[in-house]
Amino acid sequence: DAMVIQNPRYQVTQFGKPVTLSCSQTLNHNVMYWYQQKSSQAPKLLFHYYDKDFNNEADTPDNFQSRRPNTSFCFLDIRSPGLGDAAMYLCATSRLGGETQYFGPGTRLLVL
Amino acid sequence: AQSVSQHNHHVILSEAASLELGCNYSYGGTVNLFWYVQYPGQHLQLLLKYFSGDPLVKGIKGFEAEFIKSKFSFNLRKPSVQWSDTAEYFCAPDQTGANNLFFGTGTRLTVIP
Repeated sequence: DAMVIQNPRYQVTQFGKPVTLSCSQTLNHNVMYWYQQKSSQAPKLLFHYYDKDFNNEADTPDNFQSRRPNTSFCFLDIRSPGLGDAAMYLCATSRLGGETQYFGPGTRLLVL
Repeated sequence: AQSVSQHNHHVILSEAASLELGCNYSYGGTVNLFWYVQYPGQHLQLLLKYFSGDPLVKGIKGFEAEFIKSKFSFNLRKPSVQWSDTAEYFCAPDQTGANNLFFGTGTRLTVIP
């Protein structure tokens, strides 16, 4: 049974056109994370929510925003995608901070 | 600043060969240490972890890793690899309390039948 679900699996958008990626979890975990993974690179943490508390990484561009309306769902909003934002976006959850993270399958974003 | 070094980018082994993947991290404080694996077409999943206690930890599928604090290392080992171990392996320290899993660049393992 899927525990961390990401939709869509593939997303194509146009340069500058806002796009939203979604993540949901059935684990009832407190923490939800968003990572960006470019080709042949390590996943890079963009931000995370600890319950309703939002924590942005210092080097995450302002172009990236996130929303967590409830425990189960978390969204990644890219306000004006550039060609450099094409990547795999991974959502993960953990029960508490610093514990094992459970990853979704990712959404591959293509920017035309 | 925290950094992670995985020395091997791509490792090719024959079945039954022994495996050791290196991982060194730079952070000098208390860290939790993880190895995650990504099989072809699948999502990242936990292979094993070290929080405290016995520095030799065992994970799934016969993998183990040893934490050597003096060397800032957490190398992954398996005595005899199988074709199904073909995957990408990521070392990831988590600075305690920071909620920031810092991934290495990954090592791609290809096991030839």
